[in-house]
Amino acid sequence: ILNVEQSPQSLHVQEGDSTNFTCSFPSSNFYALHWYRWETAKSPEALFVMTLNGDEKKKGRISATLNTKEGYSYLYIKGSQPEDSATYLCAFVSTGNQFYFGTGTSLTVIP
Amino acid sequence: NAGVTQTPKFRVLKTGQSMTLLCAQDMNHEYMYWYRQDPGMGLRLIHYSVGEGTTAKGEVPDGYNVSRLKKQNFLLGLESAAPSQTSVYFCASRRTGPETQYFGPGTRLLVL
Repeated sequence: ILNVEQSPQSLHVQEGDSTNFTCSFPSSNFYALHWYRWETAKSPEALFVMTLNGDEKKKGRISATLNTKEGYSYLYIKGSQPEDSATYLCAFVSTGNQFYFGTGTSLTVIP
Repeated sequence: NAGVTQTPKFRVLKTGQSMTLLCAQDMNHEYMYWYRQDPGMGLRLIHYSVGEGTTAKGEVPDGYNVSRLKKQNFLLGLESAAPSQTSVYFCASRRTGPETQYFGPGTRLLVL
């Protein structure tokens, strides 16, 4: 069993604040790292797929970085809005095509 | 394009009963996955398939069986349901390569 850890477990921020979360994963057998956004009563939706050490991805106010050598990825949200409230999941994908999800970071943006 | 669909949406079973959950995708994806989601545990992989006719065990396969007879369908079976299998089940599919997964809407299962 492979351990993927996300921190913090939950986060409350004021509208307009910038925030970031961490995903830690094993540095061996790495194939890809995924980030998903999961709103209550919905299904997870993809944010980013990252494969190369040093990758940086951006979508609007959300961006992510990847360090495969030390086994971590950061997700950043700039100028948080109430609609950003969700659980953010990361998933480590092994070279055997198995997905290992973290337990997520629950973000609440207070208007 | 319906994406990934799951049937049923909700089911109540008695201990020892059997049932099959159906996942269907219309995107011609090679890979399909079954997860369960429990409070505080995140998504855990039960079984997956890398193509028609192939299946493999994930992190928590015990008590479940799967079949992928057609590329578009991935079935998850519970032969003898137990209360520990009360959970929300998600199916997902993706193309080959480092591609994102597309998730179905989930099936809520309650085993009494």
